[in-house]
Amino acid sequence: DSGVTQTPKHLITATGQRVTLRCSPRSGDLSVYWYQQSLDQGLQFLIQYYNGEERAKGNILERFSAQQFPDLHSELNLSSLELGDSALYFCASSVGGQGGQPQHFGDGTRLSIL
Amino acid sequence: AQSVTQLGSHVSVSEGALVLLRCNYSSSVPPYLFWYVQYPNQGLQLLLKYTTGATLVKGINGFEAEFKKSETSFHLTKPSAHMSDAAEYFCAVSGFGTGRRALTFGSGTRLQVQP
Repeated sequence: DSGVTQTPKHLITATGQRVTLRCSPRSGDLSVYWYQQSLDQGLQFLIQYYNGEERAKGNILERFSAQQFPDLHSELNLSSLELGDSALYFCASSVGGQGGQPQHFGDGTRLSIL
Repeated sequence: AQSVTQLGSHVSVSEGALVLLRCNYSSSVPPYLFWYVQYPNQGLQLLLKYTTGATLVKGINGFEAEFKKSETSFHLTKPSAHMSDAAEYFCAVSGFGTGRRALTFGSGTRLQVQP
């Protein structure tokens, strides 16, 4: 058990809809990362938050947004969903926000767009 | 920019045989290197990491990796494969500075262990 909790585990929705994925980091971790895993793109970094502030952006679409709340949990919002957004979305957390610190991953949310 | 190349998307070994999974990286700054393992329907579990210091790094489940700067490699090895080692393995790199804090992953290597 990594200590990172992601909900829901599975999400099935239709094109054009909006969903929210939730992540609770390990106790004591201030940084949260979101990654997308798909068959064609592999594992890609989306966005990082550190102690409530956005720290870095990766290949995140404009239709996607995220935030980190004062209790350090984070939410990833995906809107105007397309078939290609079907993927496994992972949240990871680390103590600090710098590279070199191991990131601990949740079990992911599997998003299926019908 | 940083990148990771994993040679071989599928590797098959016999139980008890040596496991060797290859990883080469590219980074303009001193890299931090990681190996993660992913079992079916699970998240990624950290196997081992290299940050600074000793170049031979030991991890969990009997795995180890050696950082070779001259070869820009960080290959993962295990002397004797177990059936439970069957999984997908990802090499990743990160570093200091803007744009490098997050992990950049390789495409993964699926390890199959034959009885």
